[in-house]
Amino acid sequence: EDQVTQSPEALRLQEGESSSLNCSYTVSGLRGLFWYRQDPGKGPEFLFTLYSAGEEKEKERLKATLTKKESFLHITAPKPEDSATYLCAVQAPQGAQKLVFGQGTRLTINP
Amino acid sequence: NAGVTQTPKFRILKIGQSMTLQCTQDMNHNYMYWYRQDPGMGLKLIYYSVGAGITDKGEVPNGYNVSRSTTEDFPLRLELAAPSQTSVYFCASSYPDGGEAFFGQGTRLTVV
Repeated sequence: EDQVTQSPEALRLQEGESSSLNCSYTVSGLRGLFWYRQDPGKGPEFLFTLYSAGEEKEKERLKATLTKKESFLHITAPKPEDSATYLCAVQAPQGAQKLVFGQGTRLTINP
Repeated sequence: NAGVTQTPKFRILKIGQSMTLQCTQDMNHNYMYWYRQDPGMGLKLIYYSVGAGITDKGEVPNGYNVSRSTTEDFPLRLELAAPSQTSVYFCASSYPDGGEAFFGQGTRLTVV
């Protein structure tokens, strides 16, 4: 069974304090790994797709990386507006229409 | 560009009542999905559709039904509501590769 585990569940940082969020996954043949951002009371918003080990994607203060067992979302010099829940999801070839989500990491950036 | 629109945003149901959650998208996506999100949990797939007239079950389909008569609309029907169906429901749509999904704002449903 495909599984996704995110850690930590919650993370509180000071503005400018860099850190990383972890997404560990078990899937029989990874088709893609996705990162989403979710603000309170809103639907998830797409950030990145990673397809193969060693791949990296960047967007402003965020960088996502992928290995064969996990993905990291690195946040460099975060600002309060980066506060959100970050969701990781995997897509297996046989379930191409289905994403399996982790439980999310709730990130708070204090000014 | 509206994207994915869900109605209503909030609803309180009594046990045993029925209702339909509406979802429409204007991006001409073939693939549409219904997820539920419980506190501290990830999104769980309820049903999905790969095109008009085609639907299939996800991880947690019991107690729900869907239909897809047009590309744009994908309503979710709750029959005989139960407290376990208290959740936030998200509709999403995507291109055929199924990856980058666009989500609606969600419907917060409480069954009492």
